Amino acid sequence: GESVGLHLPTLSVQEGDNSIINCAYSNSASDYFIWYKQESGKGPQFIIDIRSNMDKRQGQRVTVLLNKTVKHLSLQIAATQPGDSAVYFCAEGTTSYDKVIFGPGTSLSVIP
Amino acid sequence: KAGVTQTPRYLIKTRGQQVTLSCSPISGHRSVSWYQQTPGQGLQFLFEYFSETQRNKGNFPGRFSGRQFSNSRSEMNVSTLELGDSALYLCASSLDRVSYEQYFGPGTRLTVT
Repeated sequence: GESVGLHLPTLSVQEGDNSIINCAYSNSASDYFIWYKQESGKGPQFIIDIRSNMDKRQGQRVTVLLNKTVKHLSLQIAATQPGDSAVYFCAEGTTSYDKVIFGPGTSLSVIP
Repeated sequence: KAGVTQTPRYLIKTRGQQVTLSCSPISGHRSVSWYQQTPGQGLQFLFEYFSETQRNKGNFPGRFSGRQFSNSRSEMNVSTLELGDSALYLCASSLDRVSYEQYFGPGTRLTVT
């Protein structure tokens, strides 16, 4: 079925370092992209979103970059903390707000 | 403000049975979406309800159905359960249909034996 792919299924980073989680999407019609964080035993938590008319968007310690030319999305987490350990999902949708397609997820492990 | 609640949290059923899962969205949220999460297929969209109407549906068989009530609470039903239906079923609510800023519940873990 339709899916958004991830380059790295697992990522380990040292506490305090920056993390970069990558995502490739396949649907050219997608114009809305979202990152979610899922901690063990919990549902996904919205982190940040970006529309296709933007290349970059910043939140609190997070930055999402969008490269429409190569259909690539990334999430940067600054000064990674142990509480950032989780599975991160990218997802794509359209501004007509139909179904959202999730990627397979990247597991981020922060080494103290 | 209370978050999205889902009941039950855990459920064990036998093949061929049917199951109903319940979701209460955040107060004031009118859109409710359901997702199935499995290790093999990841997070897959099931359907979305808004104003008691199904607005979108994912690629799942007709055994999966749902509904939304006037208070925005939603239920999903799976009939004739199969082993492959074992999964975490997640409900997410959003204020309306103009945002993907969804708030997820903790999910219902369904095991089919």
